[in-house]
Amino acid sequence: GQQLNQSPQSMFIQEGEDVSMNCTSSSIFNTWLWYKQDPGEGPVLLIALYKAGELTSNGRLTAQFGITRKDSFLNISASIPSDVGIYFCAGQGAQKLVFGQGTRLTINP
Amino acid sequence: DAGVTQSPTHLIKTRGQQVTLRCSPISGHKSVSWYQQVLGQGPQFIFQYYEKEERGRGNFPDRFSARQFPNYSSELNVNALLLGDSALYLCASSLQTGHTDTQYFGPGTRLTVL
Repeated sequence: GQQLNQSPQSMFIQEGEDVSMNCTSSSIFNTWLWYKQDPGEGPVLLIALYKAGELTSNGRLTAQFGITRKDSFLNISASIPSDVGIYFCAGQGAQKLVFGQGTRLTINP
Repeated sequence: DAGVTQSPTHLIKTRGQQVTLRCSPISGHKSVSWYQQVLGQGPQFIFQYYEKEERGRGNFPDRFSARQFPNYSSELNVNALLLGDSALYLCASSLQTGHTDTQYFGPGTRLTVL
């Protein structure tokens, strides 16, 4: 099935470090979303982006909707242990979300 | 307010059997979508329903079917189960259907096919 290209696939960082991940697509999306998924649970919405060029923050999280509408990035500042999990980007079409493969974040205390 | 709920949480079936998964959307949400998430991958779109009508279908075989009820809850049915159907099945609800209608996910049903 269709997927977005998300990188990196995994990250191993020290607590307190900043994190950056990005997502690209060959197709244009009018809405980009970032979700976090913990083991055995469903994805939880972190940030929604509705306008090309938009930069949105949610606490320590910052995400941007690329000008071309084909990419997005997510930054996490000053990481803490509860940031551990899998982060997914998603492009929203009229009926469906198209997801990236996910970025697995591991934090060493 | 209650979020999206799904039942059962876990299910074990054997090849060839049939399974029904259930989803209740967030109160006030009229659209329900179903996704399949295989281990190590992102969710893949299966169906979207809005006001009891199918609005979108992903690249899944006819063994997969769904319906939405007048109270906006939904069921996903999978017939003639294959080993490859083992996955986390996620339900998401949104107010309506469109580019700006954010989808909120339930905890999922973990299906294991033996």
